[in-house]
Parts: sequence; C-alpha cells; structure tokens
Amino acid sequence: GQNIDQPTEMTATEGAIVQINCTYQTSGFNGLFWYQQHAGEAPTFLSYNVLDGLEEKGRFSSFLSRSKGYSYLLLKELQMKDSASYLCAVPSGGSYIPTFGRGTSLIVHP
Amino acid sequence: DADVTQTPRNRITKTGKRIMLECSQTKGHDRMYWYRQDPGLGLRLIYYSFDVKDINKGEISDGYSVSRQAQAKFSLSLESAIPNQTALYFCATSDFGSEETQYFGPGTRLLVL
Repeated sequence: GQNIDQPTEMTATEGAIVQINCTYQTSGFNGLFWYQQHAGEAPTFLSYNVLDGLEEKGRFSSFLSRSKGYSYLLLKELQMKDSASYLCAVPSGGSYIPTFGRGTSLIVHP
Repeated sequence: DADVTQTPRNRITKTGKRIMLECSQTKGHDRMYWYRQDPGLGLRLIYYSFDVKDINKGEISDGYSVSRQAQAKFSLSLESAIPNQTALYFCATSDFGSEETQYFGPGTRLLVL
C-alpha cells in the first residue's frame, strides 16, 4: 500500500524560498510527482522524479531520495501567485496509478 | 479549447436522485480516471479505465458506477445520491508509458441536499 505524508500548511514571504517536504512508503517505486492546485481549480503537473537528485525547472526544483523515501519541492523567489496547494503523488508499483498526499497549502504573504 | 472537459461544472441535487457527471477528452489518451476531493482528505480515486473495455474500482467506488462510452468519454454516475457524496469531482487522463502524467479536467462541484 501507499502512505504519503506532507505538512498541511506552510506560510512564506514574497521573494523568499520555501521547501515543501514529502515522505512516502510504497511497495514498488515508479517515480514521484508534484502537482500544483489553486483553490477551486484542477491540479496541474509540476515535476516528476524517478532518479535520486535534484531536478530544476525555473523557480521550482524537486528533489528525490529513494533510499530515504523522501522528496521535497523547492520554490524560489516566491510570488503571490504561488499561493496554492502542492500535492505529492506516488504511483503504486505496477499500475502507475498515483496515490495523492493530502496536499500542502502554501500561503505567500507580502 | 480545453483538452479535458467536464459537465456540468456545478450541480445541486437532492438525496436519492440519480445523477451523471460526464468527462470528455481530446488528448487521445487511453487511460481515464475519476477522483473526488474533500477538504483535508486530498484526491481519492473512485474508478479508472485503461481502455474502452476496461473498468476498475478505485479506493472509494461504493455508491458510484462508471461507463466508458468511447476512448474520449468516461461518465460517472451516482445511482442514489447521498449528502456525504458532496465533493469536488475531477476527471483525469494519462497516456500509457513510463511517466504517465495525469491531466485533469476543471472539476464538477456537487452538492447533495
């Protein structure tokens, strides 16, 4: 089965850096996704990690450690529009169907 | 035009009524999914379909049924709606492969009175 844990809520200041952590337990690993979801809207894809290490995409980076069952999403130069929920998702072994964490609600304030 | 569309976008119904939520996609993906999202509980999988003749139950299928009418269409039915089915419902698609990013529709907000 899947067990995914991420903080419920975080706050940060515009222009700052924030790190959102995700820990997981899975019977078979097929990568880890991060999605962004603004209030009342659909989740949208941010990143996918299948190998250990850091993947950078502009202001957003995602890190994975398979041995530790750990990932984080790093958001730099925070903007007000980054206020959203960030969902960590881990596909179950074999089916590739993701189980989603409960999401981390990020509030960016001026 | 949106790649994944859902109708209706909002729906209010009464306990015991049968309702259908529809999903269409133009992405050409074989795989389609229905999720519900409740505050504090995240996204939970109701049903999924890997192709037209394939239907599978997800984590919370009780009280729901689905129909895959075509590669592009996947409908979710609530046979007899109850108040605890009040939620935000999302349809999603993915393409078979090693990554399988999910693409979500805009969601249907359902209120059961």
